[in-house]
Amino acid sequence: GQSLEQPSEVTAVEGAIVQINCTYQTSGFYGLSWYQQHDGGAPTFLSYNALDGLEETGRFSSFLSRSDSYGYLLLQELQMKDSASYFCAVSPYNQGGKLIFGQGTELSVKP
Amino acid sequence: EAGVVQSPRYKIIEKKQPVAFWCNPISGHNTLYWYLQNLGQGPELLIRYENEEAVDDSQLPKDRFSAERLKGVDSTLKIQPAELGDSAVYLCASSFSSRGSGANVLTFGAGSRLTVL
Repeated sequence: GQSLEQPSEVTAVEGAIVQINCTYQTSGFYGLSWYQQHDGGAPTFLSYNALDGLEETGRFSSFLSRSDSYGYLLLQELQMKDSASYFCAVSPYNQGGKLIFGQGTELSVKP
Repeated sequence: EAGVVQSPRYKIIEKKQPVAFWCNPISGHNTLYWYLQNLGQGPELLIRYENEEAVDDSQLPKDRFSAERLKGVDSTLKIQPAELGDSAVYLCASSFSSRGSGANVLTFGAGSRLTVL
């Protein structure tokens, strides 16, 4: 089976850098994805790591280490609009396009 | 391009009543998903379609839940009868995925929020 663990809440101030960790137990997967969800809104895709290492997309970066069963999302130059929930998700082998999500981390950005 | 469209956005019903949710995915997306999201939790897969075929419905409570995707486009998720514990947000998502590929970006709709009284 698969399980993913994330911190439930993180608080940071505007302009700061925050890292949201995701540890997982899975028998095998194609990659680790990150989604953002604002209150009452749809989850939206942020980033995907198929290989170990860092992927950078603007202010957001995502990292994967398969040997450590660990990944993280790094948000730089935080803005108030980054206040949202962030979910890591895995695509298990041999299950087509299925995505299994973690419980999510609620990020609060303070002025 | 229109995104994934869901309706209704909100629904309040009494327990034991039926309810149905509708989803129109992004044009050209062959895979459609129904997820359930409880407050403060991550989305949990209920059913996944590839074209009109339900390829993964292992998490769908089949005694009361049913789904269909006629002609491989729109989909409907039904609950009959609804129970108090069914109160949640029902998310529809779509993607274009090819067999054997793991890189898969899901586009979600805004969801249908169900309250069962």
